[in-house]
Amino acid sequence: DTAVSQTPKYLVTQMGNDKSIKCEQNLGHDTMYWYKQDSKKFLKIMFSYNNKELIINETVPNRFSPKSPDKAHLNLHINSLELGDSAVYFCASSQGGLTGTETQYFGPGTRLLVL
Amino acid sequence: GENVEQHPSTLSVQEGDSAVIKCTYSDSASNYFPWYKQELGKRPQLIIDIRSNVGEKKDQRIAVTLNKTAKHFSLHITETQPEDSAVYFCAAFESGAGSYQLTFGKGTKLSVIP
Repeated sequence: DTAVSQTPKYLVTQMGNDKSIKCEQNLGHDTMYWYKQDSKKFLKIMFSYNNKELIINETVPNRFSPKSPDKAHLNLHINSLELGDSAVYFCASSQGGLTGTETQYFGPGTRLLVL
Repeated sequence: GENVEQHPSTLSVQEGDSAVIKCTYSDSASNYFPWYKQELGKRPQLIIDIRSNVGEKKDQRIAVTLNKTAKHFSLHITETQPEDSAVYFCAAFESGAGSYQLTFGKGTKLSVIP
């Protein structure tokens, strides 16, 4: 199932480093998302991005910056990594739009461990 | 913003019994309610969804009910099987004014005992 793919699958890094996670979808969807799933398995949206607008969740530190080179990609860049950033990060996409389906398809996740 | 409460956080049932997971939401503007199943170490996958203009939807052993007035919706799994063991998430989707946001409940860990 390669509809939504993420790289890398695992990422182990030192505190203070800068890292990026890449996401690609081949579903032709207009909207993409980043979620963070913490150790308690709570899934929380970080960003949603559609063709026209990037919507930033206010609770996300500005060390996190999404970048979308085109409609099929939404990468997540994290600066100055902290221990609390350790989590699984899921990318997702949906068709979006007022008449589109809101069903979201998730990527396989990137397991980030900050040491 | 939307707030989704999900109960119970853990649920154990005997194989063949039914399981019910309940969620409430706060924002009456939410109009789409999916349920996701997440097996250990895997991605969340949609198992069933319901829109605000429908009160009930069924797909084989899985059904979802929605009460818009009370702002709650439930997942029902009948004749549970060991492979139903997973974490289940409810969610409420709100769209409008450039916002597409799916707010998840905190999940229910379902264990089906053979």
